[in-house]
Amino acid sequence: AQKITQTQPGMFVQEKEAVTLDCTYDTSDPSYGLFWYKQPSSGEMIFLIYQGSYDQQNATEGRYSLNFQKARKSANLVISASQLGDSAMYFCAMREGDSGNQFYFGTGTSLTVIP
Amino acid sequence: ETGVTQTPRHLVMGMTNKKSLKCEQHLGHNAMYWYKQSAKKPLELMFVYNFKEQTENNSVPSRFSPECPNSSHLFLHLHTLQPEDSALYLCASSQDFRPPIYEQYFGPGTRLTVT
Repeated sequence: AQKITQTQPGMFVQEKEAVTLDCTYDTSDPSYGLFWYKQPSSGEMIFLIYQGSYDQQNATEGRYSLNFQKARKSANLVISASQLGDSAMYFCAMREGDSGNQFYFGTGTSLTVIP
Repeated sequence: ETGVTQTPRHLVMGMTNKKSLKCEQHLGHNAMYWYKQSAKKPLELMFVYNFKEQTENNSVPSRFSPECPNSSHLFLHLHTLQPEDSALYLCASSQDFRPPIYEQYFGPGTRLTVT
């Protein structure tokens, strides 16, 4: 089974609107971390936000927030007030406590912000 | 220099050549990673080093040979590559493996083309 699933290959959003990028995960480890990365066309992967499995509150970092629904095993990224510079690939990733060597990545979602 | 650097940024090589990719991190991390990113495929973890010791080798062909002389430097030696090895090669580093709260920091990648 896939550890990380991102079902939206491509998304479009109007500038200044909010957008949600979906991510579901699969693990039996009670301790894990969830991460979102942004990859612009330049290629570099940029860390955006982290959510721990034991965190009680949803993580927020500026315009990024993570909608963490543990029972559903989902960790959706919400970008508020989209900007043209947000156009990029977005990857969801997970790191498990018992096998912390590995980061599992999803296939990514390509986001295009329309002026 | 800050963060994670990779050289060269672009590399074109023939199938009989030998070349090396270099990665250096200036973050004081003790884990380093090599990933392969091909078009329309998830990120593929190739190798993981923790405190200079290799901890993961995800069935990577022997034409890829990693070297980690210290916690700050990571090399990927390439020889007799195939055209399907053309991809973006990303280096990353992170802090200790457990707990799984530490994100990875990525370099800008080396775009490799095998002719």
